[in-house]
Amino acid sequence: QSALTQPRSVSGSPGQSVTISCTGTSSDVGGYNYVSWYQQHPGKVPKLMIDDVSRRPSGVPDRFSGSKSGNTASLTISGLQAEDEADYYCCSYAGSNTFVVFGGGTKLTVL
Amino acid sequence: EVQLVQSGAEVKKPGESLKISCKGSGYSFTNNWMAWVRQMPGKGLEWMGIIYPGDSDTRYSPSFQGQVTISADKSINTAYLQWSSLKASDTAMYYCARSPRGYGEFDYWGQGTLVTVSS
Repeated sequence: QSALTQPRSVSGSPGQSVTISCTGTSSDVGGYNYVSWYQQHPGKVPKLMIDDVSRRPSGVPDRFSGSKSGNTASLTISGLQAEDEADYYCCSYAGSNTFVVFGGGTKLTVL
Repeated sequence: EVQLVQSGAEVKKPGESLKISCKGSGYSFTNNWMAWVRQMPGKGLEWMGIIYPGDSDTRYSPSFQGQVTISADKSINTAYLQWSSLKASDTAMYYCARSPRGYGEFDYWGQGTLVTVSS
């Protein structure tokens, strides 16, 4: 069982928007503004898409956005494209003892 | 250009020891955290532990504490992940990943090292 809870799968049609949630506790997601999101295509290396809850690293399309409310963080992908079909993982800092926790991952299917 | 280059795939028998490596280049190796992440076949990402090569400060996930050892040699910009006695359940892809601030922001990843443990 992962420390952060994500839906196993979400889906959307090209052009639509989808949101992936990531629920933790006040000891991780709710306690720090250090939530990151990773995209992983099959057989490929994970790629950082969002860090610090909502910051997009250079090169990441602005269709990807992040937010947080309480103990739940969210990744929203607008204007879905076929290439967005991948697994998405959230990750949160959890203090100097636990340090880092990942979510279980969400499979995004573009219909 | 930042690069993390990991050692090649390994096939081992249960009970054997193993040390895999991750060489960083194109950035200050000593001033960035380096993490190890496990991905078992068909499963998700699991954070194993992290090291700050500058002072060798090392932290482990409770799930991996005592199961693996993370180390670094800053003279050759290389981080390591090692096992003293492998189990079949250690079969997985292992990634190293750079974290500039140590808050889970893994901005560069190695290509992965596939470890297969089978009798």
